[in-house]
Amino acid sequence: GAVVSQHPSRVICKSGTSVKIECRSLDFQATTMFWYRQFPKQSLMLMATSNEGSKATYEQGVEKDKFLINHASLTLSTLTVTSAHPEDSSFYICSAEDRGAYNSPLHFGNGTRLTVT
Amino acid sequence: GENVEQHPSTLSVQEGDSAVIKCTYSDSASNYFPWYKQELGKGPQLIIDIRSNVGEKKDQRIAVTLNKTAKHFSLHITETQPEDSAVYFCAAKDAGKSTFGDGTTLTVKP
Repeated sequence: GAVVSQHPSRVICKSGTSVKIECRSLDFQATTMFWYRQFPKQSLMLMATSNEGSKATYEQGVEKDKFLINHASLTLSTLTVTSAHPEDSSFYICSAEDRGAYNSPLHFGNGTRLTVT
Repeated sequence: GENVEQHPSTLSVQEGDSAVIKCTYSDSASNYFPWYKQELGKGPQLIIDIRSNVGEKKDQRIAVTLNKTAKHFSLHITETQPEDSAVYFCAAKDAGKSTFGDGTTLTVKP
């Protein structure tokens, strides 16, 4: 089945530094990838939609200068949390759609636990 | 936009019993309804899905039903096992955009 690989699974960084999270579709091409943030015991909060070769579309309230998204190829999207602060600590998850499948499920990565100290 | 409501938020059952989780959606244009299972510290994984031209689908102990007229769909797990304990999310999809329910934490007690 379709596999999405997300790295790193855990990262601890100091306040003010930047962190990059990678999301790769391993056996399919993904025109669109999605980035979510999940707080404990809550649902998935869509942050942005990443489209290959074009700018990401951010949801209302998400700072695009703080959460930089790059989708340079059909198999890779990256999320960079710039100048991270403790309030950015969270569980970040990516998902991808198979470009060749209509009305297909999302394939999720295993998430990245970010802790900003 | 689409709005998906999911109930209950928590569900505790005895091993071997059945579990039912229900979702309603608001946008009649939604035509694809997947269910995801999320284990602690992991990303959600698809367990079953149903398209709007089908009323019911079954895969071993898991089944999903869809009532398009009433705009609701349900997940049914029979003969529950402790490994079924997880958070379950329903979703409604239209034109590439998925809207998720708030999740149900299922606990199966041995």
